[in-house]
Amino acid sequence: DAKTTQPTSMDCAEGRAANLPCNHSTISGNEYVYWYRQIHSQGPQYIIHGLKNNETNEMASLIITEDRKSSTLILPHATLRDTAVYYCIVRANNQAGTALIFGKGTTLSVSS
Amino acid sequence: ETGVTQTPRHLVMGMTNKKSLKCEQHLGHNAMYWYKQSAKKPLELMFVYSLEERVENNSVPSRFSPECPNSSHLFLHLHTLQPEDSALYLCASSQLTGYRLFFGSGTQLSVL
Repeated sequence: DAKTTQPTSMDCAEGRAANLPCNHSTISGNEYVYWYRQIHSQGPQYIIHGLKNNETNEMASLIITEDRKSSTLILPHATLRDTAVYYCIVRANNQAGTALIFGKGTTLSVSS
Repeated sequence: ETGVTQTPRHLVMGMTNKKSLKCEQHLGHNAMYWYKQSAKKPLELMFVYSLEERVENNSVPSRFSPECPNSSHLFLHLHTLQPEDSALYLCASSQLTGYRLFFGSGTQLSVL
């Protein structure tokens, strides 16, 4: 799986958009970008994933650059409950026999 | 509610005790995982089961013994643990290995 680089921490004011960047310059053509988040002392929660087109769901939007070497997770209106560690992971789908490996992620702190 | 249930939620045990962690998934998935998360550290993959067979064992000490009796249940048997084994133990499942993960809430283990 390609390596990802994320900032260690970010701050965001409540109600504002939170933009979390991720660099994955060695991504392969068949690898997807996945985002998970982990609220303190809970299991990680899937947020969104994409291959090359931008994606949006009820939780967030994922913007992937045209060269696919970086992406941004956008929480359009951050709330205090969005305070968590956000993980960006790159891997191919249906990669049998292997499991997701989590890095250190970005700690997002949302304050009022 | 993710469809993955872990019990107990908290566990305190002595170094000479034997205990078991239980995980149950109600999603019809065929792959199950154990992850360990020590304080302020990334998640560490411990074991992967696919169709009830262990397919990955990441150099985990033998004092941790997994068991997968069927595709819905996963156990982690613990014996003669050390204080440094204190951590959050997370169970996850996915349709197949490499697919989107669904995590349980974890068992917070303290070894005295």
